[in-house]
Amino acid sequence: AQSVTQLDSHVSVSEGTPVLLRCNYSSSYSPSLFWYVQHPNKGLQLLLKYTSAATLVKGINGFEAEFKKSETSFHLTKPSAHMSDAAEYFCVVSEPAGGSYIPTFGRGTSLIVHP
Amino acid sequence: NAGVTQTPKFQVLKTGQSMTLQCAQDMNHEYMSWYRQDPGMGLRLIHYSVGAGITDQGEVPNGYNVSRSTTEDFPLRLLSAAPSQTSVYFCASTPAGWNSPLHFGNGTRLTVT
Repeated sequence: AQSVTQLDSHVSVSEGTPVLLRCNYSSSYSPSLFWYVQHPNKGLQLLLKYTSAATLVKGINGFEAEFKKSETSFHLTKPSAHMSDAAEYFCVVSEPAGGSYIPTFGRGTSLIVHP
Repeated sequence: NAGVTQTPKFQVLKTGQSMTLQCAQDMNHEYMSWYRQDPGMGLRLIHYSVGAGITDQGEVPNGYNVSRSTTEDFPLRLLSAAPSQTSVYFCASTPAGWNSPLHFGNGTRLTVT
């Protein structure tokens, strides 16, 4: 069985400072992990994905995430926040399920960026 | 390339009414799914399909029906709308299975009064 926990419902940063959005997961297999971003009144867009290749994954818009199996974590980071990064972020875990596809979404982290 | 298209964008229903939310994709993806998004709950899977003619239930299927007669279309039917179905609904598709990212539509905001 798979599960995912986003440790913060809201994260507030100042523009130009680092961003850290935390995600822990649980899986019986070697899972695939994803981060999606949702801007207001929009659908979700893929930021990056981990599928058992390099543990440090680079995504769009300067975001990256590191897969740490020992800590069962997949935290999302960005060195310097921009106002346009203000959005909702979702961590997602997925594992093989006999031909079906039922990814599990975290509850989301709202990133607030102050000028 | 349109991707995943959802219609309508907004809908208001009275309790007991029925309606169909439309979803179409032009990427020839085998997998399609419907989610609902409620504040603080993330996205919850309603129904999904692994190919034309095949559908299955997700986490919160009650009150919803789906069918998949073609690869492109995956409509979601509300049989008798209830206020608890007030939500934002997203359709998503993916070309393959569990390690492929989802492609999302822009959502349908449904209010049931």
